[in-house]
Amino acid sequence: DGGITQSPKYLFRKEGQNVTLSCEQNLNHDAMYWYRQDPGQGLRLIYYSQIVNDFQKGDIAEGYSVSREKKESFPLTVTSAQKNPTAFYLCATSVSVSYEQYFGPGTRLTVT
Amino acid sequence: KNQVEQSPQSLIILEGKNCTLQCNYTVSPFSNLRWYKQDTGRGPVSLTIMTFSENTKSNGRYTATLDADTKQSSLHITASQLSDSASYICVVKGNYGQNFVFGPGTRLSVLP
Repeated sequence: DGGITQSPKYLFRKEGQNVTLSCEQNLNHDAMYWYRQDPGQGLRLIYYSQIVNDFQKGDIAEGYSVSREKKESFPLTVTSAQKNPTAFYLCATSVSVSYEQYFGPGTRLTVT
Repeated sequence: KNQVEQSPQSLIILEGKNCTLQCNYTVSPFSNLRWYKQDTGRGPVSLTIMTFSENTKSNGRYTATLDADTKQSSLHITASQLSDSASYICVVKGNYGQNFVFGPGTRLSVLP
């Protein structure tokens, strides 16, 4: 995990509420990513950012939003438009887009 | 469609035994293939990364092989330990842009 912090580890929200997941890194990596992991499925890319103030949609961006105002931070907001938000969310970083990714410890979000 | 398949879905072995996990992919053109280990509730940690020209790579008791012609990779674990109990994820990167394709993982349980 080293150098990538995700908080909190567990998060509970009521349906209809927006919630923001934190991801901070001190690895000085340019690229940051958000993935969603569901049981029995591979990680699916939500959003990624190659540089500050720039980000791109991944395969399942609907119902999510991100910002990249600082190199160290890439928060993910799960909006009420996301139909099945309960999942394990993983943040990752890499030196640049083509290089090896390092993953944070993850946040488990439960929406009831 | 770019896909990564892994088999078996789950595996139970006794401590000290060897095992082999399989990964088949259709990602093309191919850049590299990585194996990650993911402990329950944690982020994935990289074990090996292999490029097109590499056939085998070792990391301690973990040995990965790659056959780029048949688009197959395997991860062999020697003399398994209880701490090897985890999910093992195969990830293939294509040549264009941010194109990591994750397999669903193999869940390995090592019993005493």
